[in-house]
Amino acid sequence: GGIITQTPKFLIGQEGQKLTLKCQQNFNHDTMYWYRQDSGKGLRLIYYSITENDLQKGDLSEGYDASREKKSSFSLTVTSAQKNEMAVFLCASSIGYAEQFFGPGTRLTVL
Amino acid sequence: GEQVEQRPPHLSVREGDSAVITCTYTDPNSYYFFWYKQEPGASLQLLMKVFSSTEINEGQGFTVLLNKKDKRLSLNLTAAHPGDSAAYFCAVSAYTGNYKYVFGAGTRLKVIA
Repeated sequence: GGIITQTPKFLIGQEGQKLTLKCQQNFNHDTMYWYRQDSGKGLRLIYYSITENDLQKGDLSEGYDASREKKSSFSLTVTSAQKNEMAVFLCASSIGYAEQFFGPGTRLTVL
Repeated sequence: GEQVEQRPPHLSVREGDSAVITCTYTDPNSYYFFWYKQEPGASLQLLMKVFSSTEINEGQGFTVLLNKKDKRLSLNLTAAHPGDSAAYFCAVSAYTGNYKYVFGAGTRLKVIA
């Protein structure tokens, strides 16, 4: 078995601040994903990466940057946090078209 | 691109009753289908995966049906119990090489004891 870890678990930022979320997986999966989930809502794809150093934009990429530094890690940067923003950011990984495995999430609050 | 509509958004049933959640999709090339369960405050856990060659898949206490002609995927929880209270999401992927999954908006199920 494997595991996906996300850090930090809780992130509190100020308006306009640049914030970075990190994700690590030890499944040895090629593909990794970042999703945003607003309270009571579904998942929206921000960025994904098919392999190391690859980046693909999702439907919600504006306002975010991503980096796939190595196969096991995928970072997401909120380039300028919006006041009163609250959401959970979920990282996932998969092999090809197999199921995605999800991390525990990072809960963002912007003051 | 692929669009997935999930119904109903909210569902409340009594313990022991059945609960049916349905997703309809648009891309005829869709081949991989998944159901995920998300308990309150937790992340998503895979409940069932169905491939295009499968029409019925049974798990513990639930059945997944795939109707390719109608482009409809359904999750049927038989004899629901309070532990089934959660959000359920379907996810669909076509064999296009981009490994993108399209998720439904989710169904919040409440099972009343």
